[in-house]
Amino acid sequence: QVQLQESGPGLVKPSETLSLTCTVSGGSISSSSNYYWDWIRQPPGKGLEWIGSIFYTGSTYYNPSLKSRVTISVDTSKRHFSLKLTSVTAADTAVYYCARVEPSGWFDPWGQGTLVTVSS
Amino acid sequence: SSELTQDPAVSVALGQTVRITCQGDSLRSYYANWYQQKPGQAPVLVIYGKDTRPSGIPDRFSGSRSGNTASLTITGARAEDEADYYCNSRDSSGNFHVVFGGGTKLTVL
Repeated sequence: QVQLQESGPGLVKPSETLSLTCTVSGGSISSSSNYYWDWIRQPPGKGLEWIGSIFYTGSTYYNPSLKSRVTISVDTSKRHFSLKLTSVTAADTAVYYCARVEPSGWFDPWGQGTLVTVSS
Repeated sequence: SSELTQDPAVSVALGQTVRITCQGDSLRSYYANWYQQKPGQAPVLVIYGKDTRPSGIPDRFSGSRSGNTASLTITGARAEDEADYYCNSRDSSGNFHVVFGGGTKLTVL
């Protein structure tokens, strides 16, 4: 049973880069060739926002509203994929989730989420 | 890009049936998927595709679609169903992007 776990700093200063890693256990990214691997975030008290997606081949897809600041990468041998978000502001404060995504677009499973606060 | 619209809040009496809707152009091409999120927890997939429940999801949850509107129906709502519910689908532009609805807060009275 595949499980995902986010990790990374819980506090980032304004204008700096947010970096998170999602570790996949119980399976591997490269053997799951039908799936996409995505990042989603949820500001406190608000709804879900899709950040972007990566296929095991390295092909990426980003939310147009974040595209200029987002990079998602994958390390299939190390069974993780990563998120970098540059030039963060307080508006980027959120719980960040990673998830596995079927080609048809459903997200399952999700990681437990990690809160990232942008503050000086 | 596409947008999905949900009612912000819906309430249902204990044991009654409730329908949560999700509206958007992408739903003419793609089925909506539905997630339940309880406070402090990650979302959980409850319905995907035409009307499929993942293992462990009670059969009181069901999904449907008509035109550009998808619905999640809970038949015989229980207290533990009180949660936020989100829909999502692929973007209809065919670029593998994803869109989420704004979420519906379900209160079980």
